Amino acid sequence: GESVGLHLPTLSVQEGDNSIINCAYSNSASDYFIWYKQESGKGPQFIIDIRSNMDKRQGQRVTVLLNKTVKHLSLQIAATQPGDSAVYFCAEKDRMDSSYKLIFGSGTRLLVRP
Amino acid sequence: DGGITQSPKYLFRKEGQNVTLSCEQNLNHDAMYWYRQDPGQGLRLIYYSQIVNDFQKGDIAEGYSVSREKKESFPLTVTSAQKNPTAFYLCASSLAGGYNEQFFGPGTRLTVL
Repeated sequence: GESVGLHLPTLSVQEGDNSIINCAYSNSASDYFIWYKQESGKGPQFIIDIRSNMDKRQGQRVTVLLNKTVKHLSLQIAATQPGDSAVYFCAEKDRMDSSYKLIFGSGTRLLVRP
Repeated sequence: DGGITQSPKYLFRKEGQNVTLSCEQNLNHDAMYWYRQDPGQGLRLIYYSQIVNDFQKGDIAEGYSVSREKKESFPLTVTSAQKNPTAFYLCASSLAGGYNEQFFGPGTRLTVL
C-alpha cells in the first residue's frame, strides 16, 4: 500500500542553525498534509498544514514546502532552539478516502546541539 | 480550557486482564481516534469514530474494542486477546470534513506485567 515515509530518522543541528526535515509520500491522491511535533512522553502537537493547491506555507519560524512533482514535503525550522528538540511526523490525507483518517509517517528525531 | 484528556497517564495490567483507557474532549469535535505508538515508531490507527454511535476499525483493531455513546467520550478497551498490549496509547479528535488537524491528548502508557 501507499505510505508516508521520511528520509532520515535522526537529524542533529547546531542551535541557531536552520533545520530541514524531509518527508516523501507515495500516494498521488493525497491533497492535505500536516506536520506534528512530539516531545518525549507527550502527545503530538500541530505545527503547520498545507493543502495541495499550495507550494509553500509559512508560520512562526516554520515553513512547509510541498513539491507535488516529486511527492516531497519538507519542514524548515529557522534559528533552531533547544526547545525544538523532538520527533517530527508528517501526515497526509487521501482525497479519495471519504473518511477523516490521516496517515502518519514514522517520524524524524531532531536533536539540537548547544 | 478546551482540550482532550486521557486517563490514567500510566496504567499497569496483569496478563489476561482487560483494561479500559479513557478519552474525553470538550472541543465539540465529531471525530475521535485511537492510536498506538511503540518506542521509536510512528502512530498506528486502532479505531476511529466520525459520529456518535458509529465507529470503524483502523489498521490494528484486533484485540481492542471501543464505544461512542457520547460525542465527548471515546473509551478504548484493551482486551486479553491483544497479544502485545504494552505501548503508548494516544487519543485524538477533529472536526468533521477530513481537512482538519487532529488534536491529541497527552497519552496513556500501558504496561503489562
